[in-house]
Amino acid sequence: AQKVTQAQTEISVVEKEDVTLDCVYETRDTTYYLFWYKQPPSGELVFLIRRNSFDEQNEISGRYSWNFQKSTSSFNFTITASQVVDSAVYFCAPPSGTSGTYKYIFGTGTRLKVLA
Amino acid sequence: DAGITQSPRHKVTETGTPVTLRCHQTENHRYMYWYRQDPGHGLRLIHYSYGVKDTDKGEVSDGYSVSRSKTEDFLLTLESATSSQTSVYFCASSERGSNEQFFGPGTRLTVL
Repeated sequence: AQKVTQAQTEISVVEKEDVTLDCVYETRDTTYYLFWYKQPPSGELVFLIRRNSFDEQNEISGRYSWNFQKSTSSFNFTITASQVVDSAVYFCAPPSGTSGTYKYIFGTGTRLKVLA
Repeated sequence: DAGITQSPRHKVTETGTPVTLRCHQTENHRYMYWYRQDPGHGLRLIHYSYGVKDTDKGEVSDGYSVSRSKTEDFLLTLESATSSQTSVYFCASSERGSNEQFFGPGTRLTVL
């Protein structure tokens, strides 16, 4: 079965530090989409980014950046100059692998704690 | 943000009783999903729908059924609830399968 691995269960950093959250996945698909979502302590799930497997350019959005490498099946997420408000659980979501369907696997998530 | 609601938001029920959770979206999204979230497991897909009356199983579909008779509503039914189905249930919708999903606020279900 295809899967996703977010090896870091929990990370603690001090405010203003940079932090990278790792995501490694398995897929048999040749073209696919990948996502990152955020779940703050309030519990809602919020979309952060979508990446098409055709596009390997790194993406930056403010303090957030993403490094996608198709060759190693990794889609890592970096927060620069972290803030307390970044404290949340972050989920990587690659496709579940059944070609022609749009089912996604959510990793177990990485809990990020940013300390003041 | 997509208008997506779930009802009820909290429910306590007893083992063996049927339970139906409702997801309602106002964005005319074609795709809808039901997930459950448990500690140590992240989000796991139960069922999803790719159109009215078109549904498919996810990775943890045993004990659950779904129905989608209208674009805006996606129902999740536990025919006979068990304690292992105690969880937080999230519904999501997306315009296309390749688009981001918008999530509802979640339903906390406790089966005693």
